[in-house]
Amino acid sequence: GAGVSQSPSNKVTEKGKDVELRCDPISGHTALYWYRQSLGQGLEFLIYFQGNSAPDKSGLPSDRFSAERTGGSVSTLTIQRTQQEDSAVYLCASSPRTSGGIRNEQFFGPGTRLTVL
Amino acid sequence: AQSVSQHNHHVILSEAASLELGCNYSYGGTVNLFWYVQYPGQHLQLLLKYFSGDPLVKGIKGFEAEFIKSKFSFNLRKPSVQWSDTAEYFCAVDTGRRALTFGSGTRLQVQP
Repeated sequence: GAGVSQSPSNKVTEKGKDVELRCDPISGHTALYWYRQSLGQGLEFLIYFQGNSAPDKSGLPSDRFSAERTGGSVSTLTIQRTQQEDSAVYLCASSPRTSGGIRNEQFFGPGTRLTVL
Repeated sequence: AQSVSQHNHHVILSEAASLELGCNYSYGGTVNLFWYVQYPGQHLQLLLKYFSGDPLVKGIKGFEAEFIKSKFSFNLRKPSVQWSDTAEYFCAVDTGRRALTFGSGTRLQVQP
């Protein structure tokens, strides 16, 4: 079946503009995650959605970042008033329903490379 | 908060050499452990995982990892690397509290 897809694959924007990044998780996966990967760094957790529960936003670096997940499927990460330090690859991942607190592996999308000029 | 340390940032090996990449985590409770690999130009993909049971876990492409609870470690090994193993390797820990916590990655370069 189809994997996690993300769009756009590349986004170049000017400082101060808003951007929206989209993630389509694997069908049936209830958990969806956003991460950020900066050059030479590991993956930094941003936000996590699990079913209908309130999202875990504890990783969002500032209030310029927000995300929503509509209908338990597609998710959009929005960055307002972008700054140069926002330049990174933004990765989305999804995983099946957790069972008894044990999580399953996460399946990653190809990422969106964001460049803020 | 939990953290994951990958002490080898860049490893260069010749083909057929043995590989061991270190991964240590800081969390005292039950964990699930993962190694992900990112080949050049490709997605992150799962290499192997440990949830419970035998602490020696075998993954794809001849990789294995050993969970040593007393050392908070989950080192990745391969007896004989190939040029095609050139990639970036990420260790990740799941404490069941939220998303995975990733190490900073190890870039492996295998020379033919």
